[in-house]
Amino acid sequence: GESVGLHLPTLSVQEGDNSIINCAYSNSASDYFIWYKQESGKGPQFIIDIRSNMDKRQGQRVTVLLNKTVKHLSLQIAATQPGDSAVYFCAENMGTGGGNKLTFGTGTQLKVEL
Amino acid sequence: NAGVTQTPKFRVLKTGQSMTLLCAQDMNHEYMYWYRQDPGMGLRLIHYSVGEGTTAKGEVPDGYNVSRLKKQNFLLGLESAAPSQTSVYFCASRRTGTDTQYFGPGTRLTVL
Repeated sequence: GESVGLHLPTLSVQEGDNSIINCAYSNSASDYFIWYKQESGKGPQFIIDIRSNMDKRQGQRVTVLLNKTVKHLSLQIAATQPGDSAVYFCAENMGTGGGNKLTFGTGTQLKVEL
Repeated sequence: NAGVTQTPKFRVLKTGQSMTLLCAQDMNHEYMYWYRQDPGMGLRLIHYSVGEGTTAKGEVPDGYNVSRLKKQNFLLGLESAAPSQTSVYFCASRRTGTDTQYFGPGTRLTVL
């Protein structure tokens, strides 16, 4: 089956720098993508999402970029703060019927160094 | 508005014991999901429900049963727990017409 994966398991950045977390997906039929943040001992928290008819979407300090040509998704965090330290997951939805199921990547650990 | 809640937060079982995990949401969402999360792996879907009284199998349904008798509750049952079911279990819900799933805080289950 097709899967969603992440390039780097751990990313360390200095406080104040920008962070970029990458995600590769293999299912060209996916029409919706979402990023979650998971802090230790907590459930995944929605950050931002994007549909396949867009290539960029911005939120507060976060931007998601979608490159359908190479099947690549990235999450950019501006001015990274200690509170951004967490595991970040991307997920895709193929858009077919049956409950709108999401397929999740394994996650990237973001560590913010002071 | 508590969102998605899960009980219990932690549980230790012996092999062969049974238990039920409760998920509750107060957002009037139609869709509910149960996932398990294991080290080094992404969230994997166990079962899901598209509405009250309906359930369906996900990616890893074996060894689990579910029920959705009330719209706000989604129960996950383990009839005979096995060590392979040691995991963190997450519940999520979603409103019809949207794509975003909202997650609960999780239940950490250990089967000895």
